[in-house]
Amino acid sequence: KAGVTQTPRYLIKTRGQQVTLSCSPISGHRSVSWYQQTPGQGLQFLFEYFSETQRNKGNFPGRFSGRQFSNSRSEMNVSTLELGDSALYLCASSEPISGGDYNEQFFGPGTRLTVL
Amino acid sequence: QKEVEQDPGPLSVPEGAIVSLNCTYSNSAFQYFMWYRQYSRKGPELLMYTYSSGNKEDGRFTAQVDKSSKYISLFIRDSQPSDSATYLCAMSVGGAQKLVFGQGTRLTINP
Repeated sequence: KAGVTQTPRYLIKTRGQQVTLSCSPISGHRSVSWYQQTPGQGLQFLFEYFSETQRNKGNFPGRFSGRQFSNSRSEMNVSTLELGDSALYLCASSEPISGGDYNEQFFGPGTRLTVL
Repeated sequence: QKEVEQDPGPLSVPEGAIVSLNCTYSNSAFQYFMWYRQYSRKGPELLMYTYSSGNKEDGRFTAQVDKSSKYISLFIRDSQPSDSATYLCAMSVGGAQKLVFGQGTRLTINP
């Protein structure tokens, strides 16, 4: 099975611009989560989508948004970029079997975003 | 104060040593406890997960959870240079996909 893929792998933007990142989950996985990783704050949860609906949300401003398509592929968007948005953005997919049990999340390689 | 605290290191040990990595947490609702390994320029990969308190062993790796102390550990026996990576602890409430991570500990095993 192919792993989680993320595109693009690297991106350079300037302050004030917006950016869209893409994530293709492992085939059959319906849950996609997004995380931001920075040296200062570590890995922080952004949001999770399941069956095209946002199911969980982290503590990030509204400039960060996402969506999921019917084929489970997901995109996240960051508007009005700030210098502090420079980070590695990781996507993870899982195959939730039941709500209460543990479901392993498989991470992609990430998109490295640099904001100048 | 962060929900999950982890010493970022760096930690450097000789090959063959026993490595101990630890995290403390404040949210008593956490039920699942995970250890991830992240190599440079890669996404994290799951090493082990534990439900509630107890020990779990997988080859050279042992995970321990002490919910009464809100303390988790990962032990690596007979450490190898290929174990050099950043190790992240993570926790979740129930089966929720929202993982709360520690800062990560950068580990180097010297040949």
